[in-house]
Amino acid sequence: QVQLVQSGPEVRKPGSSVRVSCEASGDTFSSGAITWVRQAPGQGLEWMGRIIPIVGITDHAQILEGRVTIVADRSAATAYMEVTNLTSEDTAVYFCARGHPGNEYYLDVWGKGTTVTVSS
Amino acid sequence: EIVMTQSPATLSVSPGERATLSCRASRTVINNLAWYQQKPGQAPRLLIHSSSIRATGIPDRFSGSGSGTEFTLTISGLQSEDFAIYFCQQYYDWPPLTFGGGTKVEI
Repeated sequence: QVQLVQSGPEVRKPGSSVRVSCEASGDTFSSGAITWVRQAPGQGLEWMGRIIPIVGITDHAQILEGRVTIVADRSAATAYMEVTNLTSEDTAVYFCARGHPGNEYYLDVWGKGTTVTVSS
Repeated sequence: EIVMTQSPATLSVSPGERATLSCRASRTVINNLAWYQQKPGQAPRLLIHSSSIRATGIPDRFSGSGSGTEFTLTISGLQSEDFAIYFCQQYYDWPPLTFGGGTKVEI
């Protein structure tokens, strides 16, 4: 059974960076994609980007203006998402999710989420 | 990008009743539409993909319909565990994948 285990909560100051990890069990990294979605407090879901670990292809949300980097370490079956130049608007729960094997664009397995708080 | 609009924002229903949730796309997504359920403090859970196909393990009281720009999620015979927030998501035209703002189903 595929599981995604995310790293723990983070507190950062404005202007700093944060990196969140997502470790996959099962064969997620041998095929398919890992997508990152965030959710600000009381708000909806925002797609941040995705990576196909087997080939290293990535896509990012344009709105994040190059502040997001997504990488994958296949040997550790772990994906990482880094956000730089944090502001209070980046305070959110960050989820990683697996693209369904039949179609990577809908998300069938999710991590529990990582809370990132940006505060001075 | 394709904008997804859900209505109503909040839906008040009683256990055992039927709930009908709507999702509209700003332009056609054909049938590339998924629905998710999210409970407080939890990650979203995939319910429906391809507009009408239930994901593995999803009870048949959940059904999806629609194509083009108009979609509906119907929950028949609401049970206590169904009170949650529901999001639609299009995956026809990306990046970015886009989600609706959600519908909260409450008692």
